Amino acid sequence: EVQLVESGGDLVQPGKSLRLSCAASGFTFDEYAMHWVRQAPGKGLEWVSGISWNSIYIGYADSVKGRFTISRDNAKNSLYLQMNSLRAEDTALYYCTKDSKSRPIGGIDYWGQGTLVTVSS
Amino acid sequence: HSALTQPRSVSGSPGQSVTISCTGTSSDVGGYNYVSWYQQHPGKAPKLMIYDLSKRPSGVPDRFSGSKSGNTASLTISGLQAEDEADYYCCSYAGSHTPVLFGGGTKLTVL
Repeated sequence: EVQLVESGGDLVQPGKSLRLSCAASGFTFDEYAMHWVRQAPGKGLEWVSGISWNSIYIGYADSVKGRFTISRDNAKNSLYLQMNSLRAEDTALYYCTKDSKSRPIGGIDYWGQGTLVTVSS
Repeated sequence: HSALTQPRSVSGSPGQSVTISCTGTSSDVGGYNYVSWYQQHPGKAPKLMIYDLSKRPSGVPDRFSGSKSGNTASLTISGLQAEDEADYYCCSYAGSHTPVLFGGGTKLTVL
């Protein structure tokens, strides 16, 4: 059974940093691309960032480019999102997700339950 | 890249068919067959319903189908059931720099 378990969400002040983690199990982690997708309260889904199986192909939404960094550790079956210079508009539930392909194409077949990030003073 | 355009809401009666559109550009929906659709019930994580434009994951009823014409993709749900009432999101590959775009979401109401 595929499991994606996010952690690291918290209440932080604007301008601060936070690191999200995702522990993956139930599939061969180093064969698939992974993504972070977020959902602000009462709003729609927003793709944040994606990374290929070998970390060569990485992409970011314009809204987080230059502030967020995605990474993965295939030896630890883990995905990360380093979030710097956080803004109020980054407040959202952040989902760790698995792509059905080795490159971040967007055919997301599994979702975690999400970790909540709240940016407020 | 802008988000893909979906209608805010659609509705239908049990047994009927509804179609949800997802309009992009030649740089995303029109340029690739990597369109996927997700169903989200309140308080739940999204669920994959269609991938690679028209493929259904195991366990998804064949009442759900996907297609594309030009820059617009569509999700058709036939034989509507009460449990189909949910939010639906489309998603498309959009090239190597900003690979993934989501639509704004469509609320499906089963009357």
